[in-house]
Amino acid sequence: AQSVAQPEDQVNVAEGNPLTVKCTYSVSGNPYLFWYVQYPNRGLQFLLKYITGDNLVKGSYGFEAEFNKSQTSFHLKKPSALVSDSALYFCAVPNNAGNMLTFGGGTRLMVKP
Amino acid sequence: DVKVTQSSRYLVKRTGEKVFLECVQDMDHENMFWYRQDPGLGLRLIYFSYDVKMKEKGDIPEGYSVSREKKERFSLILESASTNQTSMYLCASSPPPGRRNTEAFFGQGTRLTVV
Repeated sequence: AQSVAQPEDQVNVAEGNPLTVKCTYSVSGNPYLFWYVQYPNRGLQFLLKYITGDNLVKGSYGFEAEFNKSQTSFHLKKPSALVSDSALYFCAVPNNAGNMLTFGGGTRLMVKP
Repeated sequence: DVKVTQSSRYLVKRTGEKVFLECVQDMDHENMFWYRQDPGLGLRLIYFSYDVKMKEKGDIPEGYSVSREKKERFSLILESASTNQTSMYLCASSPPPGRRNTEAFFGQGTRLTVV
């Protein structure tokens, strides 16, 4: 079965510093990987996805993610964190049929001024 | 702008009540989903539907049922609400099966409290 794991429950970073939110995957075949963000009391919003091609994927709000096949990872990154980036971040992978997403447990990002 | 709309942001219900959570999408998507979100547990799939009147159980269907009479609407039903169903409920929709490279769109969530 396709799965993703987020090893950190929370990541703390100072405003202006680079941030990384980690995700590792276990899939059969070519991976399709997604990142979503959830702001307080809101639904999930799509950030970016990896389908194929460049290992560095750019998404919304200045975020990017690096696909690493040898390490089976898809870490979310941003060069300079903002306080407004504080939110819950989810990595996700679709099943083989493509009709549902399986999510990681989520990582809470706290950006302090 | 694409939209998935959940009928309520907050609900408070009593134990034993029958509860309906409604979700409507305007993107003509075949797939619709109900997830439950709890701290430390992430998102867990309750049910999904890939067509009108079709439904499939997800990871935690016990205590829930669903209804999809129209393509745009997917309802989650708690037959007899219990306190352990207090949670955030998220509805989502996505394009047809097989298109694995396409993202799902989420509603704003319904925070249900059962007292």
